[in-house]
Formats: sequence, C-alpha cells, structure tokens
Amino acid sequence: KAGVTQTPRYLIKTRGQQVTLSCSPISGHRSVSWYQQTPGQGLQFLFEYFSETQRNKGNFPGRFSGRQFSNSRSEMNVSTLELGDSALYLCASSETSGSIDEQFFGPGTRLTVL
Amino acid sequence: DQQVKQNSPSLSVQEGRISILNCDYTNSMFDYFLWYKKYPAEGPTFLISISSIKDKNEDGRFTVFLNKSAKHLSLHIVPSQPGDSAVYFCATRHNTDKLIFGTGTRLQVFP
Repeated sequence: KAGVTQTPRYLIKTRGQQVTLSCSPISGHRSVSWYQQTPGQGLQFLFEYFSETQRNKGNFPGRFSGRQFSNSRSEMNVSTLELGDSALYLCASSETSGSIDEQFFGPGTRLTVL
Repeated sequence: DQQVKQNSPSLSVQEGRISILNCDYTNSMFDYFLWYKKYPAEGPTFLISISSIKDKNEDGRFTVFLNKSAKHLSLHIVPSQPGDSAVYFCATRHNTDKLIFGTGTRLQVFP
C-alpha cells in the first residue's frame, strides 16, 4: 500500500498570497487530519475531515480552511499569507475518525512565506 | 498556553544506555497518551501509546510510564541505538477529541 502523499513538498510564497496544499491518504482511509509544525510550538492541530465533513477544528484563524473530496483526498488553503505561516504542514490519514494510534503521517509540505 | 510540555528540547545519550524522554500535561481529563518519532524530511510515525487506566506499557525496547497524579509521562528506550536518533513528540487527547502534541525532544544517540 502506498503511504500518505503530500504535494508539493516545498513551496515559497510572499505575504498576501494564498496557497493550496494537497494530501492523498492511504487507500481505504477516510479520515484526514492536518497539522502545522513550527519550531518551539510542536505540531498544532488544524482540522480533521471524515467522509467530506469537517469533524474537528483547531484554534486557527479563518484564513486556514480545508476540504475533502469524495475520493478522500484533502486540500487545505491558506489565504492572505503572513510571515508566521511559514511552517511544515503535515497531513495524517486513518481508516476512521478518532483512530488516533492508527494515524499515518505524510512527509509534509514545507511552506516558506517571504 | 501549552497543555503538553516537553521541557527538554534535546537529549544526548551514549549507545547502549537508557534514554528517558519526559512530558508533562495540564489537563487531568486527558485519557490517552502517545509517543511519535520523527526523522528529518519524514512525517511522524507512531511509536507507543498508553491509556489512562494503565501506568505502564511496554513494546520491545520502548516503555511508556504514566504518572496521573503528577500529570507526567515518560518514554524509556533501553538500550538506545544510533537509529533512535530523531525528534520525539508526546501527544494526548480526551475521548476522541483532537490530538495535542508537545514541542518535541531531539534525541541524539552517539557511539
């Protein structure tokens, strides 16, 4: 089975722009969660999608949004980028919502905002 | 405010010795705890977990201890190997709520 894939792996944007990141879960997995990793903050939960519905949301501003498609692939979008949005964005998939220890992470997308 | 804290950003241990990574949490309602390992350029991988009804869980060289009264979690790696060099994150949740991660501890195991 192929693992979780994320595209692109690296991205450079400037302040004010918007960005869309993509995540393809493991085949058969219907839950996708997104995390932001920054130095000193660890991994912070953004949101979780299950069967195209947002199940849970972290404490991030409305500039961060996501969606999930019928094939379970997920995208997250960040609008009006700020310097502080520079981070590694990780997605994780699991078969069902709440299957925490069966969560598999992708390699992440490194976003740099200049 | 950080609900899960890993106060040691880094740890250096000699090969063959014990590595002890620590994690403190603030919310007594957290009922499930996990450790993840992360290599550079890879996503975190699940290592070991423990439910709040237990105080110890073992898996090979890895043992997790939970002290609920102290709200403290630790991961013991015995014996430590160079391949264990990575960043370790503790994480916790309440019921099926979202995972809350610590800030990570970078472990270096030297020969």
